[in-house]
Amino acid sequence: DAGVTQSPTHLIKTRGQQVTLRCSPKSGHDTVSWYQQALGQGPQFIFQYYEEEERQRGNFPDRFSGHQFPNYSSELNVNALLLGDSALYLCASSLYTGNYEQYFGPGTRLTVT
Amino acid sequence: AQTVTQSQPEMSVQEAETVTLSCTYDTSESDYYLFWYKQPPSRQMILVIRQEAYKQQNATENRFSVNFQKAAKSFSLKISDSQLGDAAMYFCAYRSVVRSQGNLIFGKGTKLSVKP
Repeated sequence: DAGVTQSPTHLIKTRGQQVTLRCSPKSGHDTVSWYQQALGQGPQFIFQYYEEEERQRGNFPDRFSGHQFPNYSSELNVNALLLGDSALYLCASSLYTGNYEQYFGPGTRLTVT
Repeated sequence: AQTVTQSQPEMSVQEAETVTLSCTYDTSESDYYLFWYKQPPSRQMILVIRQEAYKQQNATENRFSVNFQKAAKSFSLKISDSQLGDAAMYFCAYRSVVRSQGNLIFGKGTKLSVKP
């Protein structure tokens, strides 16, 4: 049973560029949530997708956008990258109904120079 | 808005000893979930233990147990018989039972070191 997978593992981008991060949920899960974890901090919620719609959003600017595909996988897009966007981006999957546990992927380390 | 506070940035324990990590939270909700997650250097967040607020009994998972004090809004994690593999960042997290508020709210974490 494959767990949550994310790609790429590491990414280096330049200020002003755009980036796309990808996530495949755990088998059987239908909901994907994205979190940003700055160095030395706890993860902060970006948004959550279910049935290909954004269901909930944290306090992040519109530069952060996402998408969920019919197979439940998801993408996180960040436009006009800032140095402050450098962080570990974590994807978590869960079931929208019933059990509320979220299972996390290994993350994508984004460095903006 | 709910908040989670972990007041111990770093803790250290001797192998085979017991350590307790502290967590307090603030909420106006009466029902919710609380979690402890472990994040080793590999970065993957691993669920350690979960507590439903409506349950009075403290959750236990092998060497890990919690002390849930709902009135005090306190949720500490006790690790017994500490092992070298327990060394990691530990995050306390809160989640509402309201489905439309399904995000996890994390504390800043406690870095646990285990001495051989």
